[in-house]
Amino acid sequence: EAQVTQNPRYLITVTGKKLTVTCSQNMNHEYMSWYRQDPGLGLRQIYYSMNVEVTDKGDVPEGYKVSRKEKRNFPLILESPSPNQTSLYFCASSLTVGTAGPQHFGDGTRLSIL
Amino acid sequence: GENVEQHPSTLSVQEGDSAVIKCTYSDSASNYFPWYKQELGKRPQLIIDIRSNVGEKKDQRIAVTLNKTAKHFSLHITETQPEDSAVYFCAASKGYSTLTFGKGTMLLVSP
Repeated sequence: EAQVTQNPRYLITVTGKKLTVTCSQNMNHEYMSWYRQDPGLGLRQIYYSMNVEVTDKGDVPEGYKVSRKEKRNFPLILESPSPNQTSLYFCASSLTVGTAGPQHFGDGTRLSIL
Repeated sequence: GENVEQHPSTLSVQEGDSAVIKCTYSDSASNYFPWYKQELGKRPQLIIDIRSNVGEKKDQRIAVTLNKTAKHFSLHITETQPEDSAVYFCAASKGYSTLTFGKGTMLLVSP
């Protein structure tokens, strides 16, 4: 089954404790991205990657890191989480042919930073 | 960067009525415009998309129109049903760059 898998689905942690949210897709998609969703603000793109070893900032990259060492994986790293990073996070992937295409979203990760 | 405005923020209709959601974008170079539906507690799912070389696209009860000159695009849902109730997001993108979303429209279809 074609899917985007995120882990964990829920996480409660404390300020400053490094965490990683994993994202994996099995569709051989080139394009992967991370979004955060906050009430009233919609979905905002954090980082995206056009292919292995190619990443770029989205609209809200501050406080986040990503890496793309393999085509299928695109982890989101919070080196020193803060309460304002409490949010619902979505990973997505798409098969691009010269332009962004339909995004396939994972089921989301609800992150609470205390 | 790109800015996408979406209206209305909430929309209530009676079952069987039509619903229209409008979005405007700021970057004239944007060339890809998807619409996503997000049910409560679920992930966003693509319902229809349009590229800048097309003015209109239809899929059963759903249609999207694009006016490049005015830089706006709209989602039209006909014969609405209660299961159409959800939050709908528009988005705009150019090339390989960021995908910018509108803030969403909560559609409520009453039986």
